[in-house]
Amino acid sequence: ETGVTQSPTHLIKTRGQQVTLRCSSQSGHNTVSWYQQALGQGPQFIFQYYREEENGRGNFPPRFSGLQFPNYSSELNVNALELDDSALYLCASSLEASSTDTQYFGPGTRLTVL
Amino acid sequence: RKEVEQDPGPFNVPEGATVAFNCTYSNSASQSFFWYRQDCRKEPKLLMSVYSSGNEDGRFTAQLNRASQYISLLIRDSKLSDSATYLCVGLTGANNLFFGTGTRLTVIP
Repeated sequence: ETGVTQSPTHLIKTRGQQVTLRCSSQSGHNTVSWYQQALGQGPQFIFQYYREEENGRGNFPPRFSGLQFPNYSSELNVNALELDDSALYLCASSLEASSTDTQYFGPGTRLTVL
Repeated sequence: RKEVEQDPGPFNVPEGATVAFNCTYSNSASQSFFWYRQDCRKEPKLLMSVYSSGNEDGRFTAQLNRASQYISLLIRDSKLSDSATYLCVGLTGANNLFFGTGTRLTVIP
């Protein structure tokens, strides 16, 4: 196992609601990246947090926001949920925000929006 | 145009066969490339990095051709346990991973 944990494992919400997903990084890792994986697609980069600051963002609207805590765990918040937000949400931790550092993925949170 | 394009398959091959996956990338500034493996309803796991000089790990060989912006993965002597989706991944300087849609492999007994 990678040592990256995510909660909850599954979640069902309705359109317009808000959701918070959580990720605990591997011990010693200070960088967390979040990805959205729709069914039949590869993961898409949402954003990255490095030492509690946003360190890059993909092509996602502002209703996708995040946070990283002093212990380097992280949250992904999605407001005003839409049906298309139904996906597997993956977080990945790495030692530093360096291109040479491997990103280790957690098991993901499967979000269903009805 | 997607950053990384790969044939989604599926590839159905008999045990012992050799199978090759290819992908192309559009961002010539991409610095590093990887192959990840993803089992059904599981998270992606790093299979191997891809270098211009080629990279071999047991039955797996990965190759990068920067001139053609092309990446390949060769699996020799396929095992049942190789059945999975193989994701071609590029990395930009901002440490963002760009994934292809994945190629699904099923190894048949």
